[in-house]
Order: sequence, then structure tokens, then C-alpha cells
Amino acid sequence: GAVVSQHPSWVICKSGTSVKIECRSLDFQATTMFWYRQFPKQSLMLMATSNEGSKATYEQGVEKDKFLINHASLTLSTLTVTSAHPEDSSFYICSARVGAKGLAGSYEQYFGPGTRLTVT
Amino acid sequence: KQEVTQIPAALSVPEGENLVLNCSFTDSAIYNLQWFRQDPGKGLTSLLLIQSSQREQTSGRLNASLDKSSGRSTLYIAASQPGDSATYLCAVRPGTGGFKTIFGAGTRLFVKA
Repeated sequence: GAVVSQHPSWVICKSGTSVKIECRSLDFQATTMFWYRQFPKQSLMLMATSNEGSKATYEQGVEKDKFLINHASLTLSTLTVTSAHPEDSSFYICSARVGAKGLAGSYEQYFGPGTRLTVT
Repeated sequence: KQEVTQIPAALSVPEGENLVLNCSFTDSAIYNLQWFRQDPGKGLTSLLLIQSSQREQTSGRLNASLDKSSGRSTLYIAASQPGDSATYLCAVRPGTGGFKTIFGAGTRLFVKA
């Protein structure tokens, strides 16, 4: 299957700083990528949908000014956590939608391995 | 609204035992269901993906079944090993083929040597 990578796999930053997380589709073009967040011992929750060349769509309750998403190319989406605080410490995962419909008649999606953010 | 529940939340078994992890979902109109493994502090690893038209998928010692009508899936692990210790997540993709995948909270498995 298609491969999605994330960088970094883990990061520690100080409170008040900004952190950028990259999501790349390695062997396919992804017009749409998705960002999820997982708090400790909780489910993964969709944060936003990232569309190449346009603004991201955020889920209810997610601050768009805090979580900046840039989908500058068909293989790269970035999530920047601005002015990070300890409560932003979480596990962030992206997924990417394959550009062409599969045999099942819809677009397939593949998940990245995730990035663990710790804000001190 | 789709909800995904995983039972049990945690499980501890001796090495060699066969075990079953359960996943239930409230809306049977799904596109597919996927089982993931998550090691502590690490990322997701996709284990098995079952399309809505399928009833089961197998990979090595793993077997996942899907019963859409009853809103249930099970992940069967044969001859468990300490290396199987991890959190197992069940994820459901909506039937419209959309991408708001709903994840369960996971089952934390510990296999004792």
C-alpha cells in the first residue's frame, strides 16, 4: 500500500514556542490530507482536513489560529502548533487520500506513523 | 452519530493464549473497518483492513472479522507472544466513503512471558 511519513516522530519544545510537523505522501499524490490528535488514553479525533492549494477545514472546537495547516504541494502538508502550551502535548497523526478512486469506488486513505509532541 | 467502542479496555494474558478483542460501532453504514496497533510512545501500524463487503481478513496470527448488521468486529490473536503487547485500535470509516474516520479508545494488551 501507499506510504505516508511524518517528521519528526517525536518532539519536545518549551511552552510558548511553535512546532511544525510534516506529513508526506511518499509514493503517491495526495490532494487531501487529514490531521488527527490523540490525548493520553483517549481516541484519535479528527482536527482538520487539509486541501492542496486551499484553506484547511477545521472541526468544531479546533482553533485554526493555533493549529496552522499548510498543504503547499500534492505530497506535503504541515501542521504548525503555534505558541504551544503543555495542554497541547498530544499525539498527532496525519492521513492522506489517494488521488484516484480505488476498486471499491472511493478514495483510499493511508495513515502516517504519528508525531508525539511534548510541551514543557 | 457513529460511535466506536472497544472492549475490554485492558487485557493481560499469559504467553501462548489465544485471545479476542472486540469492537462495536453504532452505525452499520460503514465503508471499511481497520485495526491498528500502537506501541507505547510510538505511531500507528495498520494490521488489517476489512472492506464493508468483506467478512474477514487474515494476516499471520491475526484474524479480523466484520459483522456489519450487528455492528461488530473482532480481532483474534492466536498464540499470543510478549511482543504482541501494545494498544490495539479499531477505526471505522463512514459508509459514504468520507474520511472522518472514527477511532475506538483502544484495548491495551499485555502478554506475560
